[in-house]
Amino acid sequence: QKEVEQNSGPLSVPEGAIASLNCTYSDRGSQSFFWYRQYSGKSPELIMSIYSNGDKEDGRFTAQLNKASQYVSLLIRDSQPSDSATYLCAVKPGAGNTGKLIFGQGTTLQVKP
Amino acid sequence: DVKVTQSSRYLVKRTGEKVFLECVQDMDHENMFWYRQDPGLGLRLIYFSYDVKMKEKGDIPEGYSVSREKKERFSLILESASTNQTSMYLCASSSPSRLGNTIYFGEGSWLTVV
Repeated sequence: QKEVEQNSGPLSVPEGAIASLNCTYSDRGSQSFFWYRQYSGKSPELIMSIYSNGDKEDGRFTAQLNKASQYVSLLIRDSQPSDSATYLCAVKPGAGNTGKLIFGQGTTLQVKP
Repeated sequence: DVKVTQSSRYLVKRTGEKVFLECVQDMDHENMFWYRQDPGLGLRLIYFSYDVKMKEKGDIPEGYSVSREKKERFSLILESASTNQTSMYLCASSSPSRLGNTIYFGEGSWLTVV
């Protein structure tokens, strides 16, 4: 079983819709969770981090964390064509403080005008 | 803003050549990383350094070595480049904390081995 799993997609949504990206993880002791956006040919850039159960909102983005279900999601409201990218979920394992994150393989989002 | 700079963006090397990929960060981060990213395989950690002269193998260290002589600089070395090392290489840095560990990436180095 992969440690961080994402549906590779592509996930296709119309412009203006809500895009929902999901991620599950296997290490129950994980404490920190991150969403990165990666445009084609570019490097990943941090969108949001979340550490506590519940929702965290930043503009059109909402991260949701449910540690009991080992599930983290990213909602993008009013999706725009410029949101078309690959979204990487990353998790800090519970053991130690080595600084390493475990990345999922990413979900490709396509927002159609 | 955090800046992670990879000096070589696009390289073409011959099989058997020694290749150096250089990375510099300006945020005094303790942790530095080298990843490679390939279609369908995601981000894979090659090596990790948590302090000057300290290094730890990642998931795919074979065929690679690293050097960290100064805190801000982390080099990836391909001792004898092979075609299966054609990839995008990403350097990253972070500062350790109990919760945080936000990793910041450089722009990437595209290496083609022919």
